[in-house]
Amino acid sequence: GAVVSQHPSRVICKSGTSVKIECRSLDFQATTMFWYRQFPKQSLMLMATSNEGSKATYEQGVEKDKFLINHASLTLSTLTVTSAHPEDSSFYICSAKSPGGGNQPQHFGDGTRLSIL
Amino acid sequence: AQTVTQSQPEMSVQEAETVTLSCTYDTSESDYYLFWYKQPPSRQMILVIRQEAYKQQNATENRFSVNFQKAAKSFSLKISDSQLGDAAMYFCALPEDMRFGAGTRLTVKP
Repeated sequence: GAVVSQHPSRVICKSGTSVKIECRSLDFQATTMFWYRQFPKQSLMLMATSNEGSKATYEQGVEKDKFLINHASLTLSTLTVTSAHPEDSSFYICSAKSPGGGNQPQHFGDGTRLSIL
Repeated sequence: AQTVTQSQPEMSVQEAETVTLSCTYDTSESDYYLFWYKQPPSRQMILVIRQEAYKQQNATENRFSVNFQKAAKSFSLKISDSQLGDAAMYFCALPEDMRFGAGTRLTVKP
């Protein structure tokens, strides 16, 4: 079945550091990928839709200059948290839809736990 | 606008008992799918079950089944013979909308 790989799974870094998270679709091409943020005991919050070859679409309230998204190929989307601060600490998870149209389920990466000291 | 509503923030069930998680939704599509995802403490998102709206028969996957009421736009998940491993956050979802509702946290008591 469709598999999405997310890396790294855990990041601990100092305030001011930029952190890049990768999301890869391993056995299918994903023209669209999705990035979520999840705080403890809360739901997944959609941050942005990543479109291959074009600019990402950000949800209202998400700073595009803080959360840079690049989708340079059909199998890779990256989320870069720029100049990260403690309030950026969270769980980030990506997903991609199986090929075959809008009614396909999402396939999720295993997520990245980001801790900013 | 949110298209999926889960009105039960938390639910609890005794091991081996049955529990039903509620979900209502809104869509302008006539042919669509609905999904239930499970997120255990590991935070991995797992597809539990899917329902095709044009199918009259409720979907079933082992101990998991749905009660799909299309006219009422209701899509509940029934877990039979609950196991400790069923403890998780559960999310219902429409594939047309990438946003998730609040989810329901299920606790299974031994």
